[in-house]
Amino acid sequence: AQRVTQPEKLLSVFKGAPVELKCNYSYSGSPELFWYVQYSRQRLQLLLRHISRESIKGFTADLNKGETSFHLKKPFAQEEDSAMYYCALSTPSGTYKYIFGTGTRLKVLA
Amino acid sequence: DTGVSQDPRHKITKRGQNVTFRCDPISEHNRLYWYRQTLGQGPEFLTYFQNEAQLEKSRLLSDRFSAERPKGSFSTLEIQRTEQGDSAMYLCASSFLGMGNTEAFFGQGTRLTVV
Repeated sequence: AQRVTQPEKLLSVFKGAPVELKCNYSYSGSPELFWYVQYSRQRLQLLLRHISRESIKGFTADLNKGETSFHLKKPFAQEEDSAMYYCALSTPSGTYKYIFGTGTRLKVLA
Repeated sequence: DTGVSQDPRHKITKRGQNVTFRCDPISEHNRLYWYRQTLGQGPEFLTYFQNEAQLEKSRLLSDRFSAERPKGSFSTLEIQRTEQGDSAMYLCASSFLGMGNTEAFFGQGTRLTVV
C-alpha cells in the first residue's frame, strides 16, 4: 500500500538550532516526493521536491531509496520557519495525485 | 490573487442538508483535484479531473458526493444529505501536465461544519 509516515506531530527547536523533519514512505515503484508547507492562515504551498534537488529557504531534502525516507533538514532554524509541514508522494504517471503524511508542526522558539 | 480560488471559505449547515462548493483553478491548468482534510490528518485525495473528464474517484467519495467540471474550467463538489462526519476542510488543487511537472497549487479551502 502507498503510505507516507511523519512520526512527529510536533517538533520544537530553538532559533539557530538544526531541524530535521522525518518522512518515510511506502511505495513499490519510484515515486516523486514533495514537501509542502502551510504557514498560519495561508494555503498549502510547495516547499521543495526531490527531482529538483534544490534548497529553498535553507531547507534541503534527500531521497534515500534504501531507507525509503525523504527527511527535511535545515542547519539553522529561524522563527519564520514555524509552520505545518507535510510530506507527500506522487506517482510519476497517471493522475499524479498526492498521498500526504499527517504533518509535523514545527515551532521555532526565540 | 491569481491562484486557485475556492468559495465559500466557510459553510455551516444542518445535518441532512445539501451543500455545494466551487473551485476556480489556475486558468491554464488542465488537472484539478479535490482533497479532504480532517483535524490532525493530512489532505486525503477525493477525486481527479483531467480537463472535463473525471478520471479517478477515491473510495472516500461515497454516493452522496458528486463532482463536476463542466467545460474543463471551474469545478463543483456537492454533498447531499450531509452528515456530521462530513465536517472537514475541502481543498481544491490544480496543476498543468507539462514536461513532468506535477506541482499542484492549492486553494485556501472550504471549511464545512455540519451541526
